[in-house]
Amino acid sequence: EVQLVQSGAEVKKPGESLKISCKGSGYTFTTYWIGWVRQKPGKGLESMGIIFPRDSDTIYAPSFHGHVTISVDRSINTAYLQWSSLRASDTAMYYCVRQVGTAHYLLDNWGQGTLVTVSS
Amino acid sequence: QSALTQPDSVSGSPGQSITISCTGSSADFSNYDFVSWYQQHPGKAPKLIIYDVSKRPSGVSHRFSGSKSGNTASLTISGLQTEDEADYYCSSFTSSSTVFGGGTKLTVL
Repeated sequence: EVQLVQSGAEVKKPGESLKISCKGSGYTFTTYWIGWVRQKPGKGLESMGIIFPRDSDTIYAPSFHGHVTISVDRSINTAYLQWSSLRASDTAMYYCVRQVGTAHYLLDNWGQGTLVTVSS
Repeated sequence: QSALTQPDSVSGSPGQSITISCTGSSADFSNYDFVSWYQQHPGKAPKLIIYDVSKRPSGVSHRFSGSKSGNTASLTISGLQTEDEADYYCSSFTSSSTVFGGGTKLTVL
């Protein structure tokens, strides 16, 4: 069974750094793209970017480029999403997803989500 | 503003059928059959229910079906059940990323 298990909820202050994680199991981690999706409270879904674990090839959505970093540790089948300086507007639920299909547009498995709250 | 446009809400009674539309403005959306739909219950992660316009993943009810004509894709839910009450998102791709519609809240009256 494919599983994506994310790290727990975080409460941070503006300007602080943060790294959240997503551990894949039940499939060959290095051969599927992993993506991150943001959902602000009461709002819709936004694709942030994707990474190919085998070679760490990364593609960021234009709105998120430069503000977040997506990385992976192949040795422990884990992908990461990190911020160097959080803003209040980063408050959201973040999902990691396995992306497949043509242009890896299809999100076939989702993590349980990590709630990030940024408040002074 | 989403690249894909969905109605904010739809409603129906148990047993009825409803259709949610998803309109795209890009040539990629019109020319390719790469449209997926996700169901999200409150407080839960989204779940894939339709991919490649009309295919159902294993385990998804046959009551869910998808179609596409030109620049508009549609999700139809037949024989509405109370557990179908959820948010529904369509999705496709652009040259740089996956894109989503703004979501449609389905209320089962």
